Amino acid sequence: ILNVEQSPQSLHVQEGDSTNFTCSFPSSNFYALHWYRWETAKSPEALFVMTLNGDEKKKGRISATLNTKEGYSYLYIKGSQPEDSATYLCARGVQGAQKLVFGQGTRLTINP
Amino acid sequence: DGGITQSPKYLFRKEGQNVTLSCEQNLNHDAMYWYRQDPGQGLRLIYYSQIVNDFQKGDIAEGYSVSREKKESFPLTVTSAQKNPTAFYLCASRDGPANYGYTFGSGTRLTVV
Repeated sequence: ILNVEQSPQSLHVQEGDSTNFTCSFPSSNFYALHWYRWETAKSPEALFVMTLNGDEKKKGRISATLNTKEGYSYLYIKGSQPEDSATYLCARGVQGAQKLVFGQGTRLTINP
Repeated sequence: DGGITQSPKYLFRKEGQNVTLSCEQNLNHDAMYWYRQDPGQGLRLIYYSQIVNDFQKGDIAEGYSVSREKKESFPLTVTSAQKNPTAFYLCASRDGPANYGYTFGSGTRLTVV
């Protein structure tokens, strides 16, 4: 199993503040890096899939960057809102194996 | 609306019994996956299938079995051989190459009593 580590495990942020968290993964044989948002009582929802070193993706106030050479990805949320409260999962695609290995998630709580 | 339906939402099983979790998708996706979530851990892959009538073991397949007789259905059986079956189970599917995002169901929480 190719370990994916996320930090921090949980985070409390004041509404309106910006925040970021990290996903670390083995840099060898990199294929793809996924980010998902998982709100309580809902299904995980795909945010981004990144495949190239230096990729940057943006969706509204959320953005992500990828560094495959050093094995990390950052997820940024600008101007946090209560609806951003969720667990954010990252997952590494295993080359040629058609499957994902997930980190344990970062649980984000936005305080109004 | 297209999506993945998992049923039931909650399931209670007595020790020693087999139980089957349902996963149905109407997205016409080829690949389907079963993951398990335990507190404080990431999603762990149980089984996956890239195509009808074919499936592969994931990282924690012991005590589980699957079938893929139809494209839209990928049921998971938790057998009595699974030593610690109490967990949250998620089904997912994917369309296209392996670098496409997954679509997830809403999960089944299995409790052994």
